[in-house]
Amino acid sequence: AQSVTQLGSHVSVSEGALVLLRCNYSSSVPPYLFWYVQYPNQGLQLLLKYTTGATLVKGINGFEAEFKKSETSFHLTKPSAHMSDAAEYFCAQDTGGFKTIFGAGTRLFVKA
Amino acid sequence: DTEVTQTPKHLVMGMTNKKSLKCEQHMGHRAMYWYKQKAKKPPELMFVYSYEKLSINESVPSRFSPECPNSSLLNLHLHALQPEDSALYLCASSQGAENIQYFGAGTRLSVL
Repeated sequence: AQSVTQLGSHVSVSEGALVLLRCNYSSSVPPYLFWYVQYPNQGLQLLLKYTTGATLVKGINGFEAEFKKSETSFHLTKPSAHMSDAAEYFCAQDTGGFKTIFGAGTRLFVKA
Repeated sequence: DTEVTQTPKHLVMGMTNKKSLKCEQHMGHRAMYWYKQKAKKPPELMFVYSYEKLSINESVPSRFSPECPNSSLLNLHLHALQPEDSALYLCASSQGAENIQYFGAGTRLSVL
């Protein structure tokens, strides 16, 4: 069965520090991959997506992710964390047929 | 307009009540979804409508009854719910092979 694994249920960084949220997916052809962000009491918002083409994808709010097929990874990064980045982040994989598999989520804390 | 609108934002109901959740989108998307999200968990797929026909039912109890009156609207009828049904209910829509989903802000449901 296909799966998405997010390493670390909680990540804490200082403001201005690098943000790295890890995601590994199960192999699938083609792997449509997504990162969504969820702020408290809100729905999910798409940060970025990988479908085909360039393996480094840029998203909103300064986030980017790199698709590495050899490692089946799709880690999310941001060079400098801001307080407003504190939220829950979900890595997701489209499995076809309208089904999306979500990872368990990573809560990002940003310290002043 | 990339908005999915859900009403109400909050709902408290007794176990014998009948209520409905509503979802609306005007992006021309032909797939619409209901998800259930418990605290600190990823969304769980409940139902998918494609071109106004029920495409996926993830073995959801019959006390949840979806309805898609037209391509822009999606309802979730609730009857005889249990306290464990308390959760955030998210609606989403998508279009195209990439299946990028646009989420509403959700309805926070409490069953007493």
